[in-house]
Amino acid sequence: GAGVSQSPSNKVTEKGKDVELRCDPISGHTALYWYRQSLGQGLEFLIYFQGNSAPDKSGLPSDRFSAERTGGSVSTLTIQRTQQEDSAVYLCASSSYTGTPGSEFFGPGTRLTVL
Amino acid sequence: RKEVEQDPGPFNVPEGATVAFNCTYSNSASQSFFWYRQDCRKEPKLLMSVYSSGNEDGRFTAQLNRASQYISLLIRDSKLSDSATYLCVVKGGGSSNTGKLIFGQGTTLQVKP
Repeated sequence: GAGVSQSPSNKVTEKGKDVELRCDPISGHTALYWYRQSLGQGLEFLIYFQGNSAPDKSGLPSDRFSAERTGGSVSTLTIQRTQQEDSAVYLCASSSYTGTPGSEFFGPGTRLTVL
Repeated sequence: RKEVEQDPGPFNVPEGATVAFNCTYSNSASQSFFWYRQDCRKEPKLLMSVYSSGNEDGRFTAQLNRASQYISLLIRDSKLSDSATYLCVVKGGGSSNTGKLIFGQGTTLQVKP
């Protein structure tokens, strides 16, 4: 079956431009996460959506970062006025959140390079 | 202090060796624990959940010590294909982060022929 998909797979942009990254979760999954991973580093939590609850935005590094999840499915992560330190792989994951531990599945990520 | 701490390694071991990774977590209210595996330039994938009673999956054994807030992963009879980064992951632990996965930095394993 289809897994989590992300687009684009690679994005190169100039400093100061805005970018949008898309995540299509597994159908029926109610939980959706965004993480980023800088070169040689672990995963850094950004934001978590669970059903209709208010998202946990505690990991967003600045107000230049925002995310939406429309209709409880597709999510878009927007970075405004990109900076070079935003360069990283942005990973999306979804989960059925049925209470089964380890039910999260990750997408292949979007590699963002800010020049 | 990071919420989840791991020795980044790298661990360089010969084929057939037994290797152990450790991880500590700071939030005593954490509820679920996992080991993920991440290959170079790939997304993380669940390796196994970790239970207080300890659990085994083939050559892999995971242990959890809630009192010490310590998680371990043991790999027996290492294979070349085990070479990867192993991520310790903690989930849950209070209203502020329930459901959120917290990742350790990862421990890199290189198995040599």
